[in-house]
Amino acid sequence: QVQSVQSGAEVKKPGASVKVSCKPYGDTFNSYYLHWVRQAPGLGLEWMGIIKPSDGSTFYAQKFQGRVTMTSDTPTRSVYMELSRLRSEDTAVYYCATSGYYSNDAFDVWGQGTMVTVSS
Amino acid sequence: QLALTQSPSASASLGASVKLTCILSSGHSNYAIAWHQQRPGKGPRYLMKLKSDGSHTKGDGIPNRFSGSSSGAERYLTISSLQSEDEAEYYCQTWANGIHVFGGGTKLTVL
Repeated sequence: QVQSVQSGAEVKKPGASVKVSCKPYGDTFNSYYLHWVRQAPGLGLEWMGIIKPSDGSTFYAQKFQGRVTMTSDTPTRSVYMELSRLRSEDTAVYYCATSGYYSNDAFDVWGQGTMVTVSS
Repeated sequence: QLALTQSPSASASLGASVKLTCILSSGHSNYAIAWHQQRPGKGPRYLMKLKSDGSHTKGDGIPNRFSGSSSGAERYLTISSLQSEDEAEYYCQTWANGIHVFGGGTKLTVL
C-alpha cells in the first residue's frame, strides 16, 4: 500500500500550536493537490482544507479558517499543516491525502497519520 | 447542502457477500464518490472512485472482490468472498466546489 510520509506524534498544551509535515508519495509534489483530514478518537473523518504545493494556493474548510495554515516547501518537497490555539477537541490523528491532478477528486493516496494530543 | 449518509454498521459471514450503501443528499444524485477502507488501528486506504453510471476505477492492488455500483442517489460497495481482513470501517467521500465531505462510516463485522 503506497503512502505519503508524515511526521511523528505530538503532545501539546491547550493554546499552543502544532505543525505537521507530509512528504507526498512519488513524484507528485509539483502536479498534485494535497488535503488534510483529521479523525478524533472513535469518530469519523473530517476534511480540513487543501493546498496546491506547486504554487502554495490554499482553501480551508470554514470550521478551521483563522486557525489553520497550510504551506509547502519546494526544496524539501514537503507540505505542512499548522493548527493554532489548540484545544482538547483538536486531539486527533491528522492525515494528508492527495487527490491527483484535480482539487475535486477522490483521495487516492493517504499518509500514515500523525497523532496530535492536546492536554494540560 | 452536500452530505453523505451511511448505515453505522453491517455484518456478514466469512465467505459471503455484503453490499454497503452511501446515499447522496438531495440535488446531488449525479455526483461521483470514493470508497475508503480503514482497518482497526490503521489509516484510510483508497478503494475506488465510483461514478453515477456505476463505472468505477479501483486503487492499485485492490482485489477483484471489491466492486462498485450506483442507482440514483445511492452508491454501493459490494465485497464478495468476505475474508477476516475485510473487517473494517468503510467511508464514502464526495466533493464539490473545492469542498470535500465524508459519510459517517459503516463498521463491517465479518462473522
